[in-house]
Amino acid sequence: AQTVTQSQPEMSVQEAETVTLSCTYDTSENNYYLFWYKQPPSRQMILVIRQEAYKQQNATENRFSVNFQKAAKSFSLKISDSQLGDTAMYFCAFMKSGSARQLTFGSGTQLTVLP
Amino acid sequence: NAGVTQTPKFQVLKTGQSMTLQCAQDMNHEYMSWYRQDPGMGLRLIHYSVGAGITDQGEVPNGYNVSRSTTEDFPLRLLSAAPSQTSVYFCASSMEGARTGELFFGEGSRLTVL
Repeated sequence: AQTVTQSQPEMSVQEAETVTLSCTYDTSENNYYLFWYKQPPSRQMILVIRQEAYKQQNATENRFSVNFQKAAKSFSLKISDSQLGDTAMYFCAFMKSGSARQLTFGSGTQLTVLP
Repeated sequence: NAGVTQTPKFQVLKTGQSMTLQCAQDMNHEYMSWYRQDPGMGLRLIHYSVGAGITDQGEVPNGYNVSRSTTEDFPLRLLSAAPSQTSVYFCASSMEGARTGELFFGEGSRLTVL
């Protein structure tokens, strides 16, 4: 079984600054995917970024990028130029390749962007 | 685009009552799943389906039943509600060939069991 750990229950950042959210995972699988999902106060779950484990290059999506360290089983999310709309709960998630879309989520990090 | 639609959005039950959370998607997605979200625990998989007529258990299936008679619908049934089932429930769908792992979530259903 896989586990996903987010050790920062809450974080805050000033608007326009950069913040990094941490995530570690444990698995014996070699082929898998990692994700960051965002849940704003509306409760809607939104995919922010995804990373295939077989790719060495770190994924980027506009202001969002990841630092994927496969050997260390670490998958952090960096948000650059933070905006008020980034205030949300962020979940790290793991999916084994071929697992019919079964995701294992971490406990989440509540990020608050301060004006 | 309706996407994934969950009903009801809020529900209060008494212990022992039964109810069904409805989930419908209009994107012809093969995969559908139910998660529950509890404070400090993230989302946990209850049941999932890879297509009409095929369902399987996730991490926390006890106390819940599902069926998938059509591609569009994936209802979650609580046969005898317990206070431990107080939670926010999310239905999600995904399709083969899409960005792998990208789930489309409903808006959630908040259930309180007294």
